[in-house]
Amino acid sequence: NAGVMQNPRHLVRRRGQEARLRCSPMKGHSHVYWYRQLPEEGLKFMVYLQKENIIDESGMPKERFSAEFPKEGPSILRIQQVVRGDSAAYFCASSRGDRGPAEAFFGQGTRLTVV
Amino acid sequence: AQSVTQLGSHVSVSEGALVLLRCNYSSSVPPYLFWYVQYPNQGLQLLLKYTSAATLVKGINGFEAEFKKSETSFHLTKPSAHMSDAAEYFCAVAYSGGYQKVTFGTGTKLQVIP
Repeated sequence: NAGVMQNPRHLVRRRGQEARLRCSPMKGHSHVYWYRQLPEEGLKFMVYLQKENIIDESGMPKERFSAEFPKEGPSILRIQQVVRGDSAAYFCASSRGDRGPAEAFFGQGTRLTVV
Repeated sequence: AQSVTQLGSHVSVSEGALVLLRCNYSSSVPPYLFWYVQYPNQGLQLLLKYTSAATLVKGINGFEAEFKKSETSFHLTKPSAHMSDAAEYFCAVAYSGGYQKVTFGTGTKLQVIP
């Protein structure tokens, strides 16, 4: 959905570099969800955030991955010291309230390639 | 634990033929069910959702799905396939309990043959 803006659309990083993925939710939405889609697989939940709070990060790898959603600005998914296995499409979704997918809209994703 | 199973990772139909994409869910509580479509290099677009109202749900682009509790199914159908329907379709489940964490199926790629 064009309302949720993700950038960049495509990102190439060398092994060991950092990747920063940005998600600007739709206007009026204060809830953000991040998902990862590996090749030939469905989307996997990573993290759920509200403004300045991480509500559920049960899907996040324990190391190298972090997410934030500051009071001002977009939500950021950061991957430190990227490895080949991090290559995937990362999708962000946003919703107005805590009703998640019943109201959530998805962005077009950031396709990360680690070389 | 909630999950969805999509039968058939690839489905081919002729243009004008019936489209049937299968989805079975496993949920310990009444679920919310969704179908999303993903075109190549695009994000997900919500086709339709079941939220415990009518069991037959109509969505966009002529698609509909029927919630059958006895069969734990939520199959997606369209009477007549169009070339523009070629895409990947994801079934997803969530439950109501505060916020909702969506679990997606592995997807079914629909090919439409002219």
